[in-house]
Amino acid sequence: QVTLRESGPALVKPTQTLTLTCTFSGFSLSTNGMSVSWIRQPPGKALEWLALIDWDDDKYYSTSLKTRLTISKDTSKNQVVLKMTNMDPVDTATYYCTRITYNNGFYDYFDYWGQGNLVTVSS
Amino acid sequence: EVVLTQSPATLSLSPGETATLSCRASQPISNYLAWYQQKPGQAPRLLIYDASNRATGIPARFSGSGSGTDFTLTISSLEPEDFAVYFCQQRANWPPPTFGGGTKVEIK
Repeated sequence: QVTLRESGPALVKPTQTLTLTCTFSGFSLSTNGMSVSWIRQPPGKALEWLALIDWDDDKYYSTSLKTRLTISKDTSKNQVVLKMTNMDPVDTATYYCTRITYNNGFYDYFDYWGQGNLVTVSS
Repeated sequence: EVVLTQSPATLSLSPGETATLSCRASQPISNYLAWYQQKPGQAPRLLIYDASNRATGIPARFSGSGSGTDFTLTISSLEPEDFAVYFCQQRANWPPPTFGGGTKVEIK
């Protein structure tokens, strides 16, 4: 059974760095094809993909947020960490971690999601 | 970056009716499109992948079609639990995977 759970602060101040941790079970990031992505959703708005890290430690970032994001993994702990620097009120959103697999030269779809971590950016 | 445009933004229907949702891509993406359902306070759930394949456990009243730039999600005979927001997402061009803006299916 695959599960993911996000943890992190509910409130951050402008200019601070956000650190979110995704703790998962039911799969391993040392297994070929396994990957974890972060996606966010401002209240009442659409989904926005942020970053991905895969079993081979390849990392991909949203072009518009690339300079602010860092994704990393701890395979032994089954955790993926996302850091976002210089937080702004427009970054207020629910942040989801998701599982995604890589098959036949393509990343598939986001088949398992955490419940989300609502982050509010306010002074 | 592939832009996905969903229409309509809101669909007002009664239980038992059929919902037809559209997703249009800014460039051809073959059949590399998925649909997700999101209920209030919940994470999205994968419904349809590769345009027409139902994910595990998804009822047969959900069906997807399309290829290239035009895609459709059809929900036959709406059940009360189907009233939700639906997003499409493409995986043809990575990165980034992109999502549509969503269609809300509400009770009329």
